[in-house]
Amino acid sequence: GAVVSQHPSRVICKSGTSVKIECRSLDFQATTMFWYRQFPKQSLMLMATSNEGSKATYEQGVEKDKFLINHASLTLSTLTVTSAHPEDSSFYICSARIPGGTEAFFGQGTRLTVV
Amino acid sequence: AQKITQTQPGMFVQEKEAVTLDCTYDTSDPSYGLFWYKQPSSGEMIFLIYQGSYDQQNATEGRYSLNFQKARKSANLVISASQLGDSAMYFCAMRLAGGTSYGKLTFGQGTILTVHP
Repeated sequence: GAVVSQHPSRVICKSGTSVKIECRSLDFQATTMFWYRQFPKQSLMLMATSNEGSKATYEQGVEKDKFLINHASLTLSTLTVTSAHPEDSSFYICSARIPGGTEAFFGQGTRLTVV
Repeated sequence: AQKITQTQPGMFVQEKEAVTLDCTYDTSDPSYGLFWYKQPSSGEMIFLIYQGSYDQQNATEGRYSLNFQKARKSANLVISASQLGDSAMYFCAMRLAGGTSYGKLTFGQGTILTVHP
């Protein structure tokens, strides 16, 4: 079946540094990918929609300059958390849907800790 | 705007018993899809079951069934013969059919299910 791979699964970084998270569709082309954020024991909140070859669409309240999204190919979207701070510590997870398909496939998620 | 509500923060069930997880939704769009996902402590999101708004029959997938009551805007998940491995967080989600919302999922607050031996 379709698989979405996300890397890294865990990352610890120092405050002020930037972290890049990759989301790849392994056996299908994803023109659109989605990035979600989840705090412990809470729901998934959509951050942005990543569109191949064009700018990402950010949800209200999400800082586009802080969370940079690049969807340079049909199989790869990246989320870069710039100048990370402890409040950015969270679980980030991406998803993609096969065009014409039903379910959304999720990556394994990335647990970011900013110290 | 669409909204998903899960009113049960936590549920407990005895192994081998059935359990129902509640989900209500709100949308004015006539075309939508409803999903249930399981999230174990590892964090991965595991797709369980899907129900389209125009589907006449309730969806079933193995031990999972979706009790879809369109007039009441509810889409409850029924897990039969609970297993210890079913202990996890469960999310109900909705996706609108098209337009600018294409592909986006809106999630409920989640229900933590604990299965007791």
